[in-house]
Amino acid sequence: GQNIDQPTEMTATEGAIVQINCTYQTSGFNGLFWYQQHAGEAPTFLSYNVLDGLEEKGRFSSFLSRSKGYSYLLLKELQMKDSASYLCAVRDSNYQLIWGAGTKLIIKP
Amino acid sequence: IAGITQAPTSQILAAGRRMTLRCTQDMRHNAMYWYRQDLGLGLRLIHYSNTAGTTGKGEVPDGYSVSRANTDDFPLTLASAVPSQTSVYFCASSVEGTGELFFGEGSRLTVL
Repeated sequence: GQNIDQPTEMTATEGAIVQINCTYQTSGFNGLFWYQQHAGEAPTFLSYNVLDGLEEKGRFSSFLSRSKGYSYLLLKELQMKDSASYLCAVRDSNYQLIWGAGTKLIIKP
Repeated sequence: IAGITQAPTSQILAAGRRMTLRCTQDMRHNAMYWYRQDLGLGLRLIHYSNTAGTTGKGEVPDGYSVSRANTDDFPLTLASAVPSQTSVYFCASSVEGTGELFFGEGSRLTVL
């Protein structure tokens, strides 16, 4: 079966750095996506990785290792507004997105 | 403002009733999707449409139907609602072939 695993909840301090991990087992791989979802709101696109390595976009970076079935989202200089759930999703061989349950990130002052 | 509009935002429904959730986009995206989101679970695809006139079944299609008469509209119908269909429903669209989805604000449905 297809499976996306990520931690249920993480806590970090304002100004710090946090790494949210995602491991996956899917039938085929056509890219990995990270989305941010604030409570009560819709998910919004953050990043896309299809090749191994690090993609940096401002305070957010995403890393992919296809051989390990592993990705992480790195958030630097944490701000209170970064409190949200972070969803990992993999596009499978049918070009459908398989979603993880999300990681709720709590930022403390 | 361009984007996806869902209606209603919230609805309480008696079991056995028929319900249609509306979804309209003005971005001229070919692909549209309906997901449900339940606590502790990832987004699950109900139905999708790659282009007007075509639809496909996702991971959890039972009890739901969709139509895609034109590019902009993609309604989701529950023919006879059951309590297990209590969920938050998200409509989304994308340029076909990309994984960057644009989501509506969601419709919270409670079936009693």
